[in-house]
Amino acid sequence: NAGVTQTPKFQVLKTGQSMTLQCAQDMNHEYMSWYRQDPGMGLRLIHYSVGAGITDQGEVPNGYNVSRSTTEDFPLRLLSAAPSQTSVYFCASSSLERGGREQFFGPGTRLTVL
Amino acid sequence: TQLLEQSPQFLSIQEGENLTVYCNSSSVFSSLQWYRQEPGEGPVLLVTVVTGGEVKKLKRLTFQFGDARKDSSLHITAAQTGDTGLYLCAGAHWGNYKLTFGKGTLLTVNP
Repeated sequence: NAGVTQTPKFQVLKTGQSMTLQCAQDMNHEYMSWYRQDPGMGLRLIHYSVGAGITDQGEVPNGYNVSRSTTEDFPLRLLSAAPSQTSVYFCASSSLERGGREQFFGPGTRLTVL
Repeated sequence: TQLLEQSPQFLSIQEGENLTVYCNSSSVFSSLQWYRQEPGEGPVLLVTVVTGGEVKKLKRLTFQFGDARKDSSLHITAAQTGDTGLYLCAGAHWGNYKLTFGKGTLLTVNP
């Protein structure tokens, strides 16, 4: 199993550009989530999903969109990138049988917005 | 917002020393997880504690969940350079699947 994969690993955008961060998992996990990690701020939840067709907002959803058309994939879209969105983005998945608690994380996407 | 406070924020010790890091909250959690994150990688789950007062051991690491389910500690015995990393605690809530993460303790173990 590849676990949780994320692409790209690094990305540089200009202010106002849009892009999609890809996330896929092969563990048949129902729960998937996106976090951003900033120095001194820990991991903050952006959006999450408990199954295909179901998404909800986390702590810091503004400026981001998600969709969940399949169990495997959970892309994160930046609509109009801003310098404040410079961060490291992590996708995670877990089984709802475990209450979604024990999350498996991808390797992260390092995004810089100029 | 239900906050998890981790202390200390930074810890630098010599190989062979013992250490304890703490995770505290005013909120009650259904369970608490500890993760370790190495530079350039995603967090990796170390342990989940579920029952108040529970103690779990993972080789030289000992995890404890407070009786009131509001706090947890991680004790490392005879630290090794391979223990270097960011240690994150995360609390789970009843009724939803979201985790609340602390800001982490950055541990450096020097040879």
